[in-house]
Amino acid sequence: DAKTTQPTSMDCAEGRAANLPCNHSTISGNEYVYWYRQIHSQGPQYIIHGLKNNETNEMASLIITEDRKSSTLILPHATLRDTAVYYCIVRALTGTASKLTFGTGTRLQVTL
Amino acid sequence: DAEITQSPRHKITETGRQVTLACHQTWNHNNMFWYRQDLGHGLRLIHYSYGVQDTNKGEVSDGYSVSRSNTEDLPLTLESAASSQTSVYFCASSDTTLSTDTQYFGPGTRLTVL
Repeated sequence: DAKTTQPTSMDCAEGRAANLPCNHSTISGNEYVYWYRQIHSQGPQYIIHGLKNNETNEMASLIITEDRKSSTLILPHATLRDTAVYYCIVRALTGTASKLTFGTGTRLQVTL
Repeated sequence: DAEITQSPRHKITETGRQVTLACHQTWNHNNMFWYRQDLGHGLRLIHYSYGVQDTNKGEVSDGYSVSRSNTEDLPLTLESAASSQTSVYFCASSDTTLSTDTQYFGPGTRLTVL
């Protein structure tokens, strides 16, 4: 799986959009971009994933650049409950389940 | 709603004792995983299963065992607990296709081995 690079930490004011970047310059054509988050003392939580098109669900939007070398997770209206470590993971989908490899992620702090 | 649960949420045990951590999912997923999370190591895969009667070793399987007798459960057993196994344990499940392999995690079990 391709390596990812994320900022160590970010701050965001409550109610504002949180934009979390991820670089994955060595991504292969069959690799998806996944985002998970881990709120303190809880299990990791799936947020969203995509291949090349932008994706949106009830939690967030995922914007993938045309060359697929980077992506941005957008939380449109961050709340205090969004304070967590956010992980960008790039992985190939082969039809067989495989382990998740979490890097160090971005620690997002949402403040009043 | 479908969910994945773990029990107990907290456990303190003594070195040498056998301990079993339970994981139960109602997603009807074929795949189940056990990870441990320690400071400085992230999540590491212990064991996983692709279906009933199937089990496989992960990267840190020594001292642990699992069995899969039905779709819903994958209990993790520490045969003889060691202090090095003090950790937070997460169970996960997934159903895999060519376009998705999303793992859903339980709340975790914090295990302390004294």
